Amino acid sequence: DTGVSQDPRHKITKRGQNVTFRCDPISEHNRLYWYRQTLGQGPEFLTYFQNEAQLEKSRLLSDRFSAERPKGSFSTLEIQRTEQGDSAMYLCASSHTSGTGHYEQYFGPGTRLTVT
Amino acid sequence: AQSVAQPEDQVNVAEGNPLTVKCTYSVSGNPYLFWYVQYPNRGLQFLLKYITGDNLVKGSYGFEAEFNKSQTSFHLKKPSALVSDSALYFCAVSPLYNTDKLIFGTGTRLQVFP
Repeated sequence: DTGVSQDPRHKITKRGQNVTFRCDPISEHNRLYWYRQTLGQGPEFLTYFQNEAQLEKSRLLSDRFSAERPKGSFSTLEIQRTEQGDSAMYLCASSHTSGTGHYEQYFGPGTRLTVT
Repeated sequence: AQSVAQPEDQVNVAEGNPLTVKCTYSVSGNPYLFWYVQYPNRGLQFLLKYITGDNLVKGSYGFEAEFNKSQTSFHLKKPSALVSDSALYFCAVSPLYNTDKLIFGTGTRLQVFP
């Protein structure tokens, strides 16, 4: 399968613990995005990378959240000191952008986080 | 503020009938518009996009969408619905060139009855 993959698919953690999610984009895609989706809502943008550079962060991304894409390939999203309000589906997407092109984003299956 | 509205939480249609899922947007400048579909336990799947050009855009699985600048709408349509089209549909807009983060609507659940 050459689509976007995310690991783990499900994570249950206790409040106050740290969690880390991984996203592997489609191999030739240079942009990688993180979104968060809660029940009954559409996905909300968190942050995105072009290659290894993090170019934009949403105000939704508090200081407890950090994302990296160290070699411009896979990315990790870490949440420190989790809170019950962090419970959501975390979606990763990737796209290939070059020059004046504007390309659609391809989404992974998501990581569902439950904070108890 | 830039936003997307999907005014219907759910749309019900009989198999074989045409379907429309509505979307309106509010952004500054020329928008880039997208439709995605989400099946249970699966990620969002890209259906179609409008960047520029012809206002009628054709996409995957027989879906199409019509961009209407004066009404700031981008409604999703299909001439003949299938039961397998039942899913959650999201409209999204990318408001700034070369940023392309997506702003999503709240989604519309499409239920196609046999």
